[in-house]
Order: sequence, then structure tokens, then C-alpha cells
Amino acid sequence: NAGVTQTPKFQVLKTGQSMTLQCAQDMNHEYMSWYRQDPGMGLRLIHYSVGAGITDQGEVPNGYNVSRSTTEDFPLRLLSAAPSQTSVYFCASRAGTGGSYEQYFGPGTRLTVT
Amino acid sequence: KQEVTQIPAALSVPEGENLVLNCSFTDSAIYNLQWFRQDPGKGLTSLLLIQSSQREQTSGRLNASLDKSSGRSTLYIAASQPGDSATYLCAVYGGAQKLVFGQGTRLTINP
Repeated sequence: NAGVTQTPKFQVLKTGQSMTLQCAQDMNHEYMSWYRQDPGMGLRLIHYSVGAGITDQGEVPNGYNVSRSTTEDFPLRLLSAAPSQTSVYFCASRAGTGGSYEQYFGPGTRLTVT
Repeated sequence: KQEVTQIPAALSVPEGENLVLNCSFTDSAIYNLQWFRQDPGKGLTSLLLIQSSQREQTSGRLNASLDKSSGRSTLYIAASQPGDSATYLCAVYGGAQKLVFGQGTRLTINP
């Protein structure tokens, strides 16, 4: 199993550009989520999904969009990038009800917005 | 609102020492607590998961304990090695699909 994979590893955007961060998992996990990690702020939840077709907002959803058309994939879209979105983005997944709730994280995407 | 605190923020010890990392949380209504390791520029690797009904979990040289009533967890690392150098994060899951993380302890093991 590859676990949770993310692409790209690094990205530089100009203010106002849009892009999609990709996340995929091969563990058949129901739950997937996106976090951002910033110095002094720790990791904060952006959006999450409890299954294909179902998504909801986390703590810091503004400026981001998600959709979940398959169990495996959970892309994160930046609609119009801003310097405040410079961060490291992590995708995570876990099994559904009846599982251990153990979360597995991807390797991260390091995004710089200039 | 759940808050997670990790003390100390940084720790430097010589190789071979046993050490303890601390994590405290303000709301005891949790499903589980998870310890992660993060190497510089890398993702999070899950080390140990303790369910709310458990008191401790062990994996190799690592032992994590949980005292839900006092809102505390400790991660014990035995016979530390330079390869243990990393940032250690604790996170609690209280529902709402969200892990709440501490700021981490940056651990350096000196050869």
C-alpha cells in the first residue's frame, strides 16, 4: 500500500492564481481531511469528507474548495491564491465507524504564494 | 474549545538517556490521543494511538500513557538514539472530524 499520497511536493504561485492540490489514499478509508501547518499555529483543519459526495468545513475553510467524487481522491482547490495561504498542506485519512480512528498523513505539499 | 499543550517546546539530551515528553489537553471528552513524529520538511508519522478506554500503549522503545481525568499524556522514549531526533506532536480526537494538535516538542539527541 502506498498509504496517503500528495502531489505536488512543492509549488510556487503568484497572488490570484488558482491551483489544485491532489490527495489520494489506497486504504479504502471513508474519512479524509486537509490540514495546513503554520509556524506558531500548529496544524489546523481546512475541510474534511466523511465519504464520497460528502464534504464539510473545518476551522479555516475560507479561500479553499473541496469535492469528493471517489473514495480514493480528495483534491483541495485554491480559488485565488493569497500570500496568507503560504503554508504546508497535509492530507489525512482514517477508517470509518468501527475503526480505530487512527489518522494517516501524507508527505505534504509546500506552497508559497508571492 | 479543546486546547493541547506540549512541554517542553524543545529538548536536547545525550544519546542513551531515557526521556519523557508531556502533552496536556483541556477537555477530557476525547475518543483517542495520537502521538506523531515529524522530521524536518517531512510529513507526520503515526507512532502510537491510545484509545480513551486505554491507559497506555507500547511500541518498541516507545511507551505512551493516557490519564483522561487529568488531561495528560506522556511519551516515554527509552535508550534514546540520534535517529530519534525529530519533532514529536500529540493530537487528540474529540469528534467533529478534527484532530487538535499541540505545538510539538523538538527533540535533539546528541551523539
